[in-house]
Amino acid sequence: AQTVTQSQPEMSVQEAETVTLSCTYDTSENNYYLFWYKQPPSRQMILVIRQEAYKQQNATENRFSVNFQKAAKSFSLKISDSQLGDTAMYFCAFMKQTGANNLFFGTGTRLTVIP
Amino acid sequence: KAGVTQTPRYLIKTRGQQVTLSCSPISGHRSVSWYQQTPGQGLQFLFEYFSETQRNKGNFPGRFSGRQFSNSRSEMNVSTLELGDSALYLCASTDEQGLDGYTFGSGTRLTVV
Repeated sequence: AQTVTQSQPEMSVQEAETVTLSCTYDTSENNYYLFWYKQPPSRQMILVIRQEAYKQQNATENRFSVNFQKAAKSFSLKISDSQLGDTAMYFCAFMKQTGANNLFFGTGTRLTVIP
Repeated sequence: KAGVTQTPRYLIKTRGQQVTLSCSPISGHRSVSWYQQTPGQGLQFLFEYFSETQRNKGNFPGRFSGRQFSNSRSEMNVSTLELGDSALYLCASTDEQGLDGYTFGSGTRLTVV
């Protein structure tokens, strides 16, 4: 079974500063995908960034980047130049590459950007 | 390009009743998945439909069921509602393999009283 752990229930960051959200996972799979989703108060889950496990290079999307450590089963999200609009719940998610392709989610980290 | 549309946005039902939720995926997406989100259990996978067939199922009782139509629209049904079914129900659509990630709707907030 796959499990995803987010050990930081809440975090805060000053506007324009950098923050890192942690995520670890447990799986026996070798090929899989990892995602970070953002859920603002509007409730809609928005894909922030994705990482294929077979790629060694860390994914980046504008101000968002990940630190993917496959051996350690760690997948942290770094948000640079934090903006007020980044305030939201952030969920780390795992998906197998083959077979059932549903998402396994962590419990989330509530991020507040302080002006 | 329209996003994933879920209706209704809010719903209040009485214990013992049944409810049907609707989800229209992004045009061209044939895979539709449903998730339940609660404060206690977090986000849990209910089931996935692809080309009108249930392809994957989570660990929920038989009171939870779904279906998909030929236009890829999906409905989720919960019969004999219990108080614990109160939750945000999220629908997500993707291409066949989900490799581009899922696009979620804004959810239906179901309250059972």
